[in-house]
Amino acid sequence: ELKVEQNPLFLSMQEGKNYTIYCNYSTTSDRLYWYRQDPGKSLESLFVLLSNGAVKQEGRLMASLDTKARLSTLHITAAVHDLSATYFCAVDKGGSEKLVFGKGTKLTVNP
Amino acid sequence: DAGVIQSPRHEVTEMGQEVTLRCKPISGHDYLFWYRQTMMRGLELLIYFNNNVPIDDSGMPEDRFSAKMPNASFSTLKIQPSEPRDSAVYFCASSSGVGHAITYNEQFFGPGTRLTVL
Repeated sequence: ELKVEQNPLFLSMQEGKNYTIYCNYSTTSDRLYWYRQDPGKSLESLFVLLSNGAVKQEGRLMASLDTKARLSTLHITAAVHDLSATYFCAVDKGGSEKLVFGKGTKLTVNP
Repeated sequence: DAGVIQSPRHEVTEMGQEVTLRCKPISGHDYLFWYRQTMMRGLELLIYFNNNVPIDDSGMPEDRFSAKMPNASFSTLKIQPSEPRDSAVYFCASSSGVGHAITYNEQFFGPGTRLTVL
């Protein structure tokens, strides 16, 4: 059974600081997805990582994928308050279109 | 494109009543997913369809839940009878599937329906 674990589950950080969210998964997969959810809102797709070594960046967020280690990271650079949200990673369940989601990391950026 | 459309956005009902949630996927997407999100259990996949056919309903909690997709642009999730423990946000999502050259299996979520069962 594919399991996806994120850590930390809660992250409180100051504006201007850097931090990394980790996403580990239990079985082989070449595709990993990051989503953002604002309170009371839907999930918004951030990144699609499709191969080992893939790196994508959007503003202050950068995501990377290491399929051999079964690990993806979401790095936050010089955090700002607008980045406060819950971030989910999700992995393809091999052979199907199902995505298995992590529990999410609730990020709070304090002034 | 308008994205995934869900209705109603909010539903308050009493225990025992029938509830029907509706979803219109993104045009051209072959896959449609129904999720439930609660604080306790997180995001759970209930069922998904491919070309209007249910593929995996292993996440449907019990017989009180049923889902249909009569055509490519419409799906319903029905709860009958509803119970307080069904209170949650229900999301519908759609995707092109893993075979799409650009979006792969990226799922696009609707705004959700917040269901409260009293």
